[in-house]
Amino acid sequence: GQQVMQIPQYQHVQEGEDFTTYCNSSTTLSNIQWYKQRPGGHPVFLIQLVKSGEVKKQKRLTFQFGEAKKNSSLHITATQTTDVGTYFCAGRRAAGNKLTFGGGTRVLVKP
Amino acid sequence: DGGITQSPKYLFRKEGQNVTLSCEQNLNHDAMYWYRQDPGQGLRLIYYSQIVNDFQKGDIAEGYSVSREKKESFPLTVTSAQKNPTAFYLCASKGQEYNEQFFGPGTRLTVL
Repeated sequence: GQQVMQIPQYQHVQEGEDFTTYCNSSTTLSNIQWYKQRPGGHPVFLIQLVKSGEVKKQKRLTFQFGEAKKNSSLHITATQTTDVGTYFCAGRRAAGNKLTFGGGTRVLVKP
Repeated sequence: DGGITQSPKYLFRKEGQNVTLSCEQNLNHDAMYWYRQDPGQGLRLIYYSQIVNDFQKGDIAEGYSVSREKKESFPLTVTSAQKNPTAFYLCASKGQEYNEQFFGPGTRLTVL
């Protein structure tokens, strides 16, 4: 079956630094979504990428979809304490109705 | 306010008992989903329903059952057949703009 892997599993970041988390699918995707789950909370939708090579920005967050539509990345610049949480990618295969979630990257920020 | 509600937030049950988790949405979404999240893990799909009176098994359906008698409601029953039921259970519905998942606040089930 389809697998979605995320690395790293944990990311300790000094406040103000940048970091990137990566998402890799075993199969080609029709689209990929990113979610953020704050500690003790539930996942909240951030963004969807559909086109090959697509890049989208949300303030300090930059999302990229790979050319082969099998991988994606989330880059956060100038990390803040509000960025703490777990970031999940979720991929959907063509004509599929299910999202397959990656294991998440848990981000901890050191002030 | 539109959204998804799950109750209760915390639930404790004795081993061998069935328990039903509630999920209600007033977003007028057709599709609804149940996920399980274990500590430090991702989300795994248990069951989903694309329309009233229809549902399909997800990746880890064994030991669970669902019903979808109303568009607004998608309850999940954790049966005694589920070997490791202690987990965080998240209900979601599918949005129409991006087919994104709108999640409820979750129910943390502990089986003693």
